[in-house]
Amino acid sequence: TQLLEQSPQFLSIQEGENLTVYCNSSSVFSSLQWYRQEPGEGPVLLVTVVTGGEVKKLKRLTFQFGDARKDSSLHITAAQPGDTGLYLCAGAGITSGTYKYIFGTGTRLKVLA
Amino acid sequence: GAGVSQSPRYKVAKRGQDVALRCDPISGHVSLFWYQQALGQGPEFLTYFQNEAQLDKSGLPSDRFFAERPEGSVSTLKIQRTQQEDSAVYLCASSLSRGTQANYGYTFGSGTRLTVV
Repeated sequence: TQLLEQSPQFLSIQEGENLTVYCNSSSVFSSLQWYRQEPGEGPVLLVTVVTGGEVKKLKRLTFQFGDARKDSSLHITAAQPGDTGLYLCAGAGITSGTYKYIFGTGTRLKVLA
Repeated sequence: GAGVSQSPRYKVAKRGQDVALRCDPISGHVSLFWYQQALGQGPEFLTYFQNEAQLDKSGLPSDRFFAERPEGSVSTLKIQRTQQEDSAVYLCASSLSRGTQANYGYTFGSGTRLTVV
């Protein structure tokens, strides 16, 4: 069974601080996606990383795919209250013996004004 | 439609009652997925359709859960004899791509929050 473990599980920071969220697995993924989910809504895709070592930037968000394609990170610079939400990594892998799209355990971020 | 639409948004069911949750995917999307999400957790896979064919139902937690997509567009997730542990948000997603590779991610609906009392 392939799992995506995220850390930290919860994060509460002040506006303007920087933070990093990690997504780790023992298995290789061909690609990983990051989503943000707000209360009462479905996850919204932020980015896809495909190549080992790849770095993508989306305004104040920087995403990195590990060289071995087993892990990824999301770094937010100068966090704002609007960044508050549940951050999820996801990818296609083997779980319970079949190939399916799985989500990480989630990181709940709260940015205080 | 422009996005994935799910109905109802909220459903309260008495234990033992049957419920049906509807998903309208983006028009033309071949793949459709159902996920179950507990509060504060990541979504857990339930089942996957490619057009009208249910190719993977390994995530359905019991035989009380049943999903269909008879014409390859709208899908219904049915839960029979609901139990309290079925309380969760049920998310539907669709994708233009076939299969579960999803290099470009999925488009999710807003979900149905089911509460069993």
